[in-house]
Amino acid sequence: QITLKESGLTLVKPTQTLTLTCTFSGFSLSTIGVGVGWIRQPPGKALEWLALVYWDDDKRYSPPLKSRLTITKDTSKKQVVLTMTNMDPVDTATYYCAHSDDAFDIWGQGTTVTVSS
Amino acid sequence: DIQMTQSPSSVSASVGDRVTITCRASQDISSWLAWFQQIPGKPPKLLIYGASNLQSGVPSRFSGSGSGTDFTLTISSLQPEDFAMYYCQQTNSFPLTFGGGTKVEIK
Repeated sequence: QITLKESGLTLVKPTQTLTLTCTFSGFSLSTIGVGVGWIRQPPGKALEWLALVYWDDDKRYSPPLKSRLTITKDTSKKQVVLTMTNMDPVDTATYYCAHSDDAFDIWGQGTTVTVSS
Repeated sequence: DIQMTQSPSSVSASVGDRVTITCRASQDISSWLAWFQQIPGKPPKLLIYGASNLQSGVPSRFSGSGSGTDFTLTISSLQPEDFAMYYCQQTNSFPLTFGGGTKVEIK
């Protein structure tokens, strides 16, 4: 079955760069139509889509965050990495990665990131 | 960007009630709409994709309808495990956008 798991630092200081890794199993990111996306959720707030990388390395970003985000994939390692620069306390949230095949059908458990000095 | 507006923001209902949640898109998204359920402390769970297609393993009391700009998620007979947050999301175009959520609470 498909599983995804997020990992990375859970506490970062303002202005630092956040690096999150999504390690997945049960599918290949070289299969046509498949993608892996990142979505975040600040405490008590709604979901916010951040980025998505497709099997053909097409990459899409949320426009307000595009200058701060980079998404990359390593098909052989079965990993997708998201970096977000210049972190701010408003970026405190739970960050999820999810398998995409027309919709985000399988999600990781999420990792909570706190931005504080 | 396509804005997704959900209503109501919260609804109080009893076990066995029929509950309807609506989602309106700021422009035509055809049937490119998904619905998610989120229980506190858990990741979202896909319920419906393509506006009306039930995701595998999701109980048949959940159904979705609509196209264009107006969509509906219906729970035909509310069960105790259905008390949760519900989100719609458009998958028509980038940037992908979610609605603000609807909390289904116990009456």
